[in-house]
Amino acid sequence: DVKVTQSSRYLVKRTGEKVFLECVQDMDHENMFWYRQDPGLGLRLIYFSYDVKMKEKGDIPEGYSVSREKKERFSLILESASTNQTSMYLCASSFYGGGEKLFFGSGTQLSVL
Amino acid sequence: SQQGEEDPQALSIQEGENATMNCSYKTSINNLQWYRQNSGRGLVHLILIRSNEREKHSGRLRVTLDTSKKSSSLLITASRAADTASYFCATATGTASKLTFGTGTRLQVTL
Repeated sequence: DVKVTQSSRYLVKRTGEKVFLECVQDMDHENMFWYRQDPGLGLRLIYFSYDVKMKEKGDIPEGYSVSREKKERFSLILESASTNQTSMYLCASSFYGGGEKLFFGSGTQLSVL
Repeated sequence: SQQGEEDPQALSIQEGENATMNCSYKTSINNLQWYRQNSGRGLVHLILIRSNEREKHSGRLRVTLDTSKKSSSLLITASRAADTASYFCATATGTASKLTFGTGTRLQVTL
């Protein structure tokens, strides 16, 4: 069975901290994505990656960066966490591309105090 | 701006009834997908319908697509309490290799 694993289910950080959210997939997918989900706004794409060491900005990349050193792992980095980055973060992967079926992790609920 | 907008925002039905959710979008699409999200969890893919298809079935799910009206509907027949979740439509457009999600319909199925 396919699996996308996010390292933390819940995370509480302080304003100004550097935050790492980790995502690992075991399906040998080329494409990986980070979304954030906020009430009333749906899911919004932060960054995505087509291949190792490749990254592309999504719709709301400001305040975030990503790292993809290995095919199976895609990390989202909040360089200096702010309260408006409190959100549910969802990682996803796909085989054929971002416009095809996505497999999602369980999500990380991040609270920045 | 959102590409897909679901309607209604919330729906409450009794077990055994059918549930219908609608999605409208603004620009031409390559495909449209429906996902389910149980409370506080990740999304699960339900069904994908391509722009040249009009109807698709998967178990108790039936999806229709009307490209002339830029709309889609998801029908869940004989609903169960376990169908309680939020349902999202997502569209893939042009050459952009990404999905744009709507804000979701919250479905509550009561016994």
